[in-house]
Amino acid sequence: DIQMTQSPSTLSTSVGDRVTITCRASQSISSWLAWYQQKPGKAPKLLIYDASTLESGVPSRFSGSRSGTQFTLTISSLQPDDFATYYCQHYNDYRWSFGQGTKVEVK
Amino acid sequence: QVQLVQSGAEVKKPGASVKVSCKASGYTFGSYGINWVRQAPGQGLEWMGWISAYNGNTNYAQNLQGRVTLTRDTSTSTAFMELRNLRSDDTAMYYCARGQGPMAYWGQGTLLTVSS
Repeated sequence: DIQMTQSPSTLSTSVGDRVTITCRASQSISSWLAWYQQKPGKAPKLLIYDASTLESGVPSRFSGSRSGTQFTLTISSLQPDDFATYYCQHYNDYRWSFGQGTKVEVK
Repeated sequence: QVQLVQSGAEVKKPGASVKVSCKASGYTFGSYGINWVRQAPGQGLEWMGWISAYNGNTNYAQNLQGRVTLTRDTSTSTAFMELRNLRSDDTAMYYCARGQGPMAYWGQGTLLTVSS
């Protein structure tokens, strides 16, 4: 099975900061990667799919990129509503796997 | 609008079984698969399995193979997740989510508590 290693596990940051979260795949996964945001007590929300395509309705401050087997979620200027936990997810051939998650918290 | 509505919270004893439902509306049920994802308290997301709503084909996570069964009823646009031989570490929120790839639509979650 493909393993997704996400880092960091926690990010202490402030409103207005640029935030970067990384996810590395254990082998090539092309661009079959999505990013989700989850707030306490809520289901995850899809932000980005196919590594860099913004889901409809998601603010443009969120972006995704790929370099080989490393994937990055960037929030260009963190807003108060963005404090949450973020997960990467690989999908292919009807199998899925999640990264361990990154909690973005107030510094 | 697309909606996935799950059945209510469950409390089960170790060794028992549970069956959670996920009723879909707002789209053609047979056009998308349904995933099941769980989240233990304070932990991350774990993919459990996928079922094709079209033909019932399934894929399961290796660590749950043999204990989980996914089914669907096309007449009611409902997907089901049955988990057997429950253990305390099966205590989690269980979600269904629509998708063949990225999961854009999720149910509200069903809390399963396994306790003697």
